[in-house]
Amino acid sequence: EVQLVESGGGLVQPGGSLRLSCAASGFTFSSYEMNWVRQAPVKGLEWLSYISSSGSTIYYAEFAKGRFTISRDNAKNALYLQMSGLRAEDTAVYYCAKVGPATFGSWGQGTLVTVSS
Amino acid sequence: DIQMTQSPSSLSASVGDKVTITCQASQDISTCLNWYQQKPGKAPNLLIYAASNVQPGVPSRFSGGGSGTDFTFTISSLQPEDLATYYCQQCEDLPYTFGQGTKLEIK
Repeated sequence: EVQLVESGGGLVQPGGSLRLSCAASGFTFSSYEMNWVRQAPVKGLEWLSYISSSGSTIYYAEFAKGRFTISRDNAKNALYLQMSGLRAEDTAVYYCAKVGPATFGSWGQGTLVTVSS
Repeated sequence: DIQMTQSPSSLSASVGDKVTITCQASQDISTCLNWYQQKPGKAPNLLIYAASNVQPGVPSRFSGGGSGTDFTFTISSLQPEDLATYYCQQCEDLPYTFGQGTKLEIK
């Protein structure tokens, strides 16, 4: 069974940094592309970033460029999202999602990031 | 960016009703359209991919159709456990974009 478990969320001050992790199990992590998606409180879903199975191809949503960095460690079955220069509008639940058969075929339970002073 | 316009934004229906949600893309996306269900307090869950393919394990009352710019999502006979918000999402081009969601309530 595919399992994705996010961690690393919490309360951070504006301008601060945070690193989210997504631990994957139940599938051959190194064979699958991955994404990060976020959802602000009482809002809809917003795609944030994509990374290929090898990590060689990466895409970001415009709002994430220059502030967020996606990466993965296939030896550790882990996906990461390094976030810096955080703003109040980045407050959201952050989900990792596995590609297949759709863009977001399997989702983690999410981790809440709150940006506030 | 490809805009996804989903309607209605909310709807209330009775158990046993047929429910249809529509999603319109701002440009041709072929059949690169997925549907997700998000129950309160939970992560989204894939129901339909490539416009009309039902994800294994998803009840047969859920279906999808359409191509190009116009898509539909149907629940043939609404069940109490279908209380959720439903989202369409295009996968034709980056950035991947979602519809604004349809909040489904049970009368």
